[in-house]
Amino acid sequence: EVQLLESGGDLVQPGGSLRLSCAVSGFTFSSCGMSWVRQAPGKGLEWVSGISTSGGSTYYADSVKGRFTISRDNSKNTLYLQMNSLRAEDTAVYYCAKDTAAPVIWGQGTMVTVSS
Amino acid sequence: DVVMTQSPLSLPVTLGQPASISCRSSQSLVSSDGNTYLNWFQQRPGQSPRRLIYKVSNRDSGVPDRFSGSGSGTDFTLKISRVEAEDVGVYYCMQGTHWPRTFGQGSKVEIK
Repeated sequence: EVQLLESGGDLVQPGGSLRLSCAVSGFTFSSCGMSWVRQAPGKGLEWVSGISTSGGSTYYADSVKGRFTISRDNSKNTLYLQMNSLRAEDTAVYYCAKDTAAPVIWGQGTMVTVSS
Repeated sequence: DVVMTQSPLSLPVTLGQPASISCRSSQSLVSSDGNTYLNWFQQRPGQSPRRLIYKVSNRDSGVPDRFSGSGSGTDFTLKISRVEAEDVGVYYCMQGTHWPRTFGQGSKVEIK
């Protein structure tokens, strides 16, 4: 069974940092591009970042460029999102998803709250 | 960035009646590989999004055949032939052709 399990969400102060993880199982992780998508409370979906199979190519939404870094460890079947200089507007549920052009499988999400 | 514009944003529907959601992109979604990466997602209350349709008109496994996708270039449509109670939720289009990827605002389907 294909599974994606996000973790690392927490309450953090503005300006702080957090690293999210997404552990995957049930498919060949190293063969799949991966995505992060977020959803602020009561709002729509916002694509955040994507990464190629090897990790050599990364892409970001303008809203997070320069503050967030996506990475992956294919030996650990794990996707990461390092989030720095967090702002109140980064408060959201963060989902990881399999594939970058047509995200097919989504995790259950992890909540990030940025507040003092 | 490619702007995805959905309409309507709210869609009250009678059970058994059809529903249609439009999605327009600010640029053509035809990729250099010839594919058009336009996807539709359903998000039921309290759940993660679920992909329904990929590359305009391909239904995912397990998706009822009352859901269909169509369109080309910059103009796309999701149709539900006969709405059932389990179809309540928010529907999003998303383009996977250009970076950064972008979603539409979401269209909320509810039962009258």
